Amino acid sequence: KNQVEQSPQSLIILEGKNCTLQCNYTVSPFSNLRWYKQDTGRGPVSLTIMTFSENTKSNGRYTATLDADTKQSSLHITASQLSDSASYICVASFNYGQNFVFGPGTRLSVLP
Amino acid sequence: GAVVSQHPSWVICKSGTSVKIECRSLDFQATTMFWYRQFPKQSLMLMATSNEGSKATYEQGVEKDKFLINHASLTLSTLTVTSAHPEDSSFYICSARGIPGTGPYEQYFGPGTRLTVT
Repeated sequence: KNQVEQSPQSLIILEGKNCTLQCNYTVSPFSNLRWYKQDTGRGPVSLTIMTFSENTKSNGRYTATLDADTKQSSLHITASQLSDSASYICVASFNYGQNFVFGPGTRLSVLP
Repeated sequence: GAVVSQHPSWVICKSGTSVKIECRSLDFQATTMFWYRQFPKQSLMLMATSNEGSKATYEQGVEKDKFLINHASLTLSTLTVTSAHPEDSSFYICSARGIPGTGPYEQYFGPGTRLTVT
């Protein structure tokens, strides 16, 4: 079954701290993996996209990693800011990008 | 680039009426548009996939006669919630995917439409 799991379900950290969000996926044949940030009441915004040949990609303070062997990905946020408070969604695509599965998301709260 | 808009951003309607939501790709042509529904504190749920010029493909459990989707052009798709009921109140989000090889192929999401049925 094609599915994506994320952990933790929610996370609270203090401003300035780092954090890492996890994503495990089971899709076949794997095409790519994306991380999105969704602010409350807004549509998701793409942070990173990685194919099986890429194992890390950065976008500012966001760094995503991908281990295609273990089918795991992580999103590391450095020096968190209050504006990082949002839901972070992992999406795995398969069948040459034609199909995709959304993870349930991790809700991050950054407190001052 | 790759901007997707939705209109309206929020709408309140009475039970039994129909509501139309528009999704536009502003600076690229989208052969495929997706419609999602999101309930509070939950992730996006894919409702249907809409390909320009053909009938939409609905996910299991989504009533095609209730959620009418039209994708008449490469830049516009509409979702009509017919005979809306309070349980249809939700956040509806569309995304658009460009033509392979000519532009952005990944999904770009609209800002969402908040529907409240009273």
